[in-house]
Amino acid sequence: GAGVSQSPSNKVTEKGKDVELRCDPISGHTALYWYRQSLGQGLEFLIYFQGNSAPDKSGLPSDRFSAERTGGSVSTLTIQRTQQEDSAVYLCASSLEGSGNQPQHFGDGTRLSIL
Amino acid sequence: AQSVTQPDIHITVSEGASLELRCNYSYGATPYLFWYVQSPGQGLQLLLKYFSGDTLVQGIKGFEAEFKRSQSSFNLRKPSVHWSDAAEYFCAVGPMNTGFQKLVFGTGTRLLVSP
Repeated sequence: GAGVSQSPSNKVTEKGKDVELRCDPISGHTALYWYRQSLGQGLEFLIYFQGNSAPDKSGLPSDRFSAERTGGSVSTLTIQRTQQEDSAVYLCASSLEGSGNQPQHFGDGTRLSIL
Repeated sequence: AQSVTQPDIHITVSEGASLELRCNYSYGATPYLFWYVQSPGQGLQLLLKYFSGDTLVQGIKGFEAEFKRSQSSFNLRKPSVHWSDAAEYFCAVGPMNTGFQKLVFGTGTRLLVSP
């Protein structure tokens, strides 16, 4: 597609439920990133994919968070047993390749609200 | 640890006036440097980037930024602000020597434009 597409754009769920967030990167981009944007913490790196593998998942805040990428394209970020502190905007970005001089292109994010 | 400081949380500028947004970073070596802009409900849009070479970088929408190694700064400037520039601006750094771009963001500066 023309840009990075994220769905849903908004998600409201009850505490304790599982949620899945989806990211469809720009066609041909091999690198994919997830970030979280919250009021208290700003923008934080969560995980990076190169192709289908995740060389760096150091930013995932707990084992309730997981992510996968299939076919070198779409990625899903799953949060299990959601907590109120998980409320944030989850941003996905992609770049042509994972090297440092390739700028990241961001989607509009998924706004997650945990009741 | 890498960090980015944007000392101004909010800035108000009159339309037509000049703008400077400050960014200082702490890093082990010269990193890659970026400025992104975020409008409400949207993702991050890349304004400009510095990788190497000329320390004055031109970006989109009439923005420019100057890298000053001695001050560890990468301030964003625009000679004449338009009402449509009202948004949140993020400075970010990424490592030059790893295989991918794990960005560290500042906390952002919200720009308000008065008529």
